[in-house]
Amino acid sequence: RKEVEQDPGPFNVPEGATVAFNCTYSNSASQSFFWYRQDCRKEPKLLMSVYSSGNEDGRFTAQLNRASQYISLLIRDSKLSDSATYLCVVILPGYSSASKIIFGSGTRLSIRP
Amino acid sequence: SQTIHQWPATLVQPVGSPLSLECTVEGTSNPNLYWYRQAAGRGLQLLFYSVGIGQISSEVPQNLSASRPQDRQFILSSKKLLLSDSGFYLCAWSVFGYYTEAFFGQGTRLTVV
Repeated sequence: RKEVEQDPGPFNVPEGATVAFNCTYSNSASQSFFWYRQDCRKEPKLLMSVYSSGNEDGRFTAQLNRASQYISLLIRDSKLSDSATYLCVVILPGYSSASKIIFGSGTRLSIRP
Repeated sequence: SQTIHQWPATLVQPVGSPLSLECTVEGTSNPNLYWYRQAAGRGLQLLFYSVGIGQISSEVPQNLSASRPQDRQFILSSKKLLLSDSGFYLCAWSVFGYYTEAFFGQGTRLTVV
């Protein structure tokens, strides 16, 4: 079983739509959670952290459910510029205080006019 | 502020040739360092991570090796490249001792021909 699993998509939605991505992780020892955004042929960039209490950043809302080992990202009022691949990220304790940063395979989002 | 440099940006190498990709971080001390590979249309695969000089953890057995000769320098190498080594190689750093996000270099696009 993969450590982090995401629906690969692609999601193709009209501008202004609300879209939700889900992600599950297998290791209950996971410590921190993030969503990254990756544009075509570019490096991934941090979108937002994910907390159990839920957190919101403008049109983006992230949620963590530790009991179900489940992470979500909601994008409201989607814009053309939101088209990208969204990567779910889980941090696992490694050795000697290092952390393993594990990425999901990504969900591709395409916003159409 | 912290910056991460990765070079070269693009590389075309023949099968059987050696490889050396270098990554350096500025503006921080004792970072966790990571090498990832992303095959075309796929997610990020963690290859190696390091907590300190000379301390390397390998995630996947393969044709590659990593070294950390200095605190803020991480090198990815191969003695003989395979066609399957083609991909987008990304170096990243995170803060030592904390389960925080990773920051990426701009990546090296390697094509083995």
